[in-house]
Amino acid sequence: AQTVTQSQPEMSVQEAETVTLSCTYDTSESNYYLFWYKQPPSRQMILVIRQEAYKQQNATENRFSVNFQKAAKSFSLKISDSQLGDTAMYFCAFWQGAQKLVFGQGTRLTINP
Amino acid sequence: DTGVSQDPRHKITKRGQNVTFRCDPISEHNRLYWYRQTLGQGPEFLTYFQNEAQLEKSRLLSDRFSAERPKGSFSTLEIQRTEQGDSAMYLCASSGDFAGVGELFFGEGSRLTVL
Repeated sequence: AQTVTQSQPEMSVQEAETVTLSCTYDTSESNYYLFWYKQPPSRQMILVIRQEAYKQQNATENRFSVNFQKAAKSFSLKISDSQLGDTAMYFCAFWQGAQKLVFGQGTRLTINP
Repeated sequence: DTGVSQDPRHKITKRGQNVTFRCDPISEHNRLYWYRQTLGQGPEFLTYFQNEAQLEKSRLLSDRFSAERPKGSFSTLEIQRTEQGDSAMYLCASSGDFAGVGELFFGEGSRLTVL
């Protein structure tokens, strides 16, 4: 079974700094998708960014970018110019062929003013 | 359509009682998911519907749990004979054919507290 591991339970940075959240995963599949989802306090979870495993180019979405290392099974999220609104739980997730997301344990990110 | 809605948002019950949660997905979405999230943990998959067909159930979904999606619209998740270990946030999500792979739209969740 696929597993997703986030080794940083909590992180805290100052506003405008850059922060990187780590994620590793385990799978025997060759083609898959990886995601970062954001869950703000008391609000619903939303998709931040998606990476297709067969694409070598790292995905970017405005201030959010990923570092996808397929051989190392590593998938980190970089948030540049962090903002107070980035404060949230961040979940790394893996899309299985059986049509479901498998989530990591999450990283609680706090952006301080 | 304002997104995925879940009801009730909070439910406090006594051990042994039955509870039911409702999820209304985004109207054009044919796929619906239930997840369970305990404090400080990531969501755990419970079950998945495509239209009205329940295509997959997790081993986490004991025989006390049942989910339905009649007519492929809203869904209900019922927990019978609740236990304190059932205390969690129950998340519903939906997705459609025009969404990207793995793009799920989540509701705000239904928080269950079993006393």
